Amino acid sequence: DTGVSQDPRHKITKRGQNVTFRCDPISEHNRLYWYRQTLGQGPEFLTYFQNEAQLEKSRLLSDRFSAERPKGSFSTLEIQRTEQGDSAMYLCASSLVARSGNTIYFGEGSWLTVV
Amino acid sequence: ILNVEQSPQSLHVQEGDSTNFTCSFPSSNFYALHWYRWETAKSPEALFVMTLNGDEKKKGRISATLNTKEGYSYLYIKGSQPEDSATYLCAFIKAGGYQKVTFGTGTKLQVIP
Repeated sequence: DTGVSQDPRHKITKRGQNVTFRCDPISEHNRLYWYRQTLGQGPEFLTYFQNEAQLEKSRLLSDRFSAERPKGSFSTLEIQRTEQGDSAMYLCASSLVARSGNTIYFGEGSWLTVV
Repeated sequence: ILNVEQSPQSLHVQEGDSTNFTCSFPSSNFYALHWYRWETAKSPEALFVMTLNGDEKKKGRISATLNTKEGYSYLYIKGSQPEDSATYLCAFIKAGGYQKVTFGTGTKLQVIP
């Protein structure tokens, strides 16, 4: 399978614990996005990378969230000291910045439940 | 903050009915407009990538139009089927800089058999 893959697909954690999600984009894609989806909402932008550079981070994110893409390939999203409000699906996506279009391909998401 | 709005928020139609919904976006700094289909428990998948004013795209019973001057796109579904039930998302890609992508909140379509 050469699509966007995310791991783990499901995570249940106790409040206050740290969690990390991994995303492996489509191999030739230079842009990688993280989104969050809560019930009844569309994807909410968190951050994105062009190669290894983090270009933008949503103001909605607190300092407890950090994302990296150290070699411009896979990315990790870490949430420190989780809170119940962090329960959501975390979606990763990738695209190839090209002349036009830049179709975005999504992973299947990582579901986080904070208890 | 870019305003990308979709209406209606949700929609119930009978099987066989045709339907349409709207995505509104800023009329300046346009680069592209995408439509995605998001079925429950699956990841969003691209339906259309639209880049030119007046674009019309079609895939089977689903089609889309684009008006970049007034900042809207319509998605049409002809003869809705239960398998069309999903959330339809539009995404506005802003020209210049890093081509920021902003998603609408989606239109949730339920087709009743």
